[in-house]
Amino acid sequence: SQTIHQWPATLVQPVGSPLSLECTVEGTSNPNLYWYRQAAGRGLQLLFYSVGIGQISSEVPQNLSASRPQDRQFILSSKKLLLSDSGFYLCAWRGGFGTNEKLFFGSGTQLSVL
Amino acid sequence: KQEVTQIPAALSVPEGENLVLNCSFTDSAIYNLQWFRQDPGKGLTSLLLIQSSQREQTSGRLNASLDKSSGRSTLYIAASQPGDSATYLCAVRFEGGADGLTFGKGTHLIIQP
Repeated sequence: SQTIHQWPATLVQPVGSPLSLECTVEGTSNPNLYWYRQAAGRGLQLLFYSVGIGQISSEVPQNLSASRPQDRQFILSSKKLLLSDSGFYLCAWRGGFGTNEKLFFGSGTQLSVL
Repeated sequence: KQEVTQIPAALSVPEGENLVLNCSFTDSAIYNLQWFRQDPGKGLTSLLLIQSSQREQTSGRLNASLDKSSGRSTLYIAASQPGDSATYLCAVRFEGGADGLTFGKGTHLIIQP
């Protein structure tokens, strides 16, 4: 069966520090992978998605970047964090085909930038 | 712009009641619609997926309906229990839109024992 791992679960970082959040998927190959952010009082916002190694699409301009160095690994990064980067970050992969496609989410990382 | 709206934002009901959560979306050209549950500080758990050709899906005490033409979906929870307390999120995969799902802001549900 497929599983998705996300770490760390919680992170507190000072403004201006770098960030690296990692997500890995097991039990599937060449999945579409996604990074979402959930800010307080707001809905989930799609940040990046990837259809394959080295292929990244960005949905919103921001202080973050994403990379996919391996088929089942998706990394969210920042060189210098801003206060506004605080939020709950969720990684997801897409399973199924056509109209039966579903997203499966990791357990999330709560990031607090102070 | 493709958007998803959920009402109410919050709901509190006594245990045992049946309840309905509402979701509306601005574009009827969709692939599917997914309902999720999110517990505080946790990831999302998929509850039900309704494909664009379907009108409803059922899982246990949960029933989700879809009316594409009117841009609406409902999640019906029968015989609510305190363990149902969570935030419920509606998400739509639009045709022609960006890859991924567009989410509503959720309904925060509290079931009073």
